[in-house]
Amino acid sequence: GENVEQHPSTLSVQEGDSAVIKCTYSDSASNYFPWYKQELGKRPQLIIDIRSNVGEKKDQRIAVTLNKTAKHFSLHITETQPEDSAVYFCAATPQGGKLIFGQGTELSVKP
Amino acid sequence: SAVISQKPSRDICQRGTSLTIQCQVDSQVTMMFWYRQQPGQSLTLIATANQGSEATYESGFVIDKFPISRPNLTFSTLTVSNMSPEDSSIYLCSVDAGGNQPQHFGDGTRLSIL
Repeated sequence: GENVEQHPSTLSVQEGDSAVIKCTYSDSASNYFPWYKQELGKRPQLIIDIRSNVGEKKDQRIAVTLNKTAKHFSLHITETQPEDSAVYFCAATPQGGKLIFGQGTELSVKP
Repeated sequence: SAVISQKPSRDICQRGTSLTIQCQVDSQVTMMFWYRQQPGQSLTLIATANQGSEATYESGFVIDKFPISRPNLTFSTLTVSNMSPEDSSIYLCSVDAGGNQPQHFGDGTRLSIL
């Protein structure tokens, strides 16, 4: 079945710097790759997603890139702010709509 | 996006007992899923709740331990049976409304077993 690896597990950046989180997946049939942000004690919330027919997608300070050949995708956050501090999860959808999640990255943005 | 209501939000239970968690959506959705998030961990899919038929369980999860119902397109329940301290987790339902819409999560049920 699908396996998603996420790196790094923790990431600390200074406010205003960029943050990059990387994920790899194993199932070439996966065609949908969302990213969720989870603040402490709250539900995971979708921040951006990308489908396999697109190589890059951007929404203000957040962008996601996808390399289908290499089976990896990345989240890029520019001009980080303290409120970006949270745990970020990548996921892949092999079939049937179910999500297989990466291990998570705890991002800390220091003012 | 769909509004997802999950009940209870939290509970403390005795080992050996069972608890049923409810997930209600304000509109009909194609797919409903149940996930488990152990303390400090990622989300793991338990099963896909199928409307009108038995749920589809992921490897490591069985119907006797996690029976699931989905009587219609807006409601599902997950029961955690014969609980032990290892079942202490957050249980989340999620919905996929179809039509290339993203999947959204309920607030989760934080379960502690003594």
